[in-house]
Amino acid sequence: QVQLVQSGAEVKKPGASVKVSCKASGFTFTRYGMHWVRQAPGQSLEWMGWINPGNGYSKYSQRFQGRVTITRDTAASTAYMELSSLTSEDTAVYYCARDFYVSGPEYYMDVWGTGTTVTVSS
Amino acid sequence: DIQMTQSPSSLSASVGDRVTITCRASQSISNYLNWYQQKPGKAPKILISAASTLRSGVPSSFSGSGSGTEFALTISSLQPEDFATYFCQQSYSTPYTFGQGTTLEI
Repeated sequence: QVQLVQSGAEVKKPGASVKVSCKASGFTFTRYGMHWVRQAPGQSLEWMGWINPGNGYSKYSQRFQGRVTITRDTAASTAYMELSSLTSEDTAVYYCARDFYVSGPEYYMDVWGTGTTVTVSS
Repeated sequence: DIQMTQSPSSLSASVGDRVTITCRASQSISNYLNWYQQKPGKAPKILISAASTLRSGVPSSFSGSGSGTEFALTISSLQPEDFATYFCQQSYSTPYTFGQGTTLEI
């Protein structure tokens, strides 16, 4: 079945970096874009960026520009999101989500990962 | 960035009620609007795409409407499993932004 399994919870100190993985199975990894979305405790969802696993092209939210890097390993069918210079404001659940595009406005995130809790604390 | 504003933030309702959640975009997004449902401790789940297309497996009690800047999600008859948080999201331009969420409570 189609699924995205993410790496386990992380605890980091302020100033550190974190790298979260998202392993895809049940579909051809290179045929679908992958988004990264985070959710701080009790808050809404925030889009961080996206990668085209087919060619490695990535696009980021300006809010995270310079701090976030999204990469992929096609042989492992895995996408990665690395966030640097962490502060307590980065404490959140981080999700990967598959990009599903049909045509025009039919464009949404159809399969979501298991979520990775990142806690930033001194 | 396009701002998405949902109302209400929370809503108390009962099983069998008809409820409507609205979502307003800060600029026209045509019908590039999706609705997601999220239950506590779980990832969001797509309900409706392109403002009004019901995704596979979603009960027909859910419906979406609107275009431009004003959108609505309606649940015609609430079931116990519908008590959750709902988010709208625009897919018109990056950064893809979400509404602040509407929590449906008993």
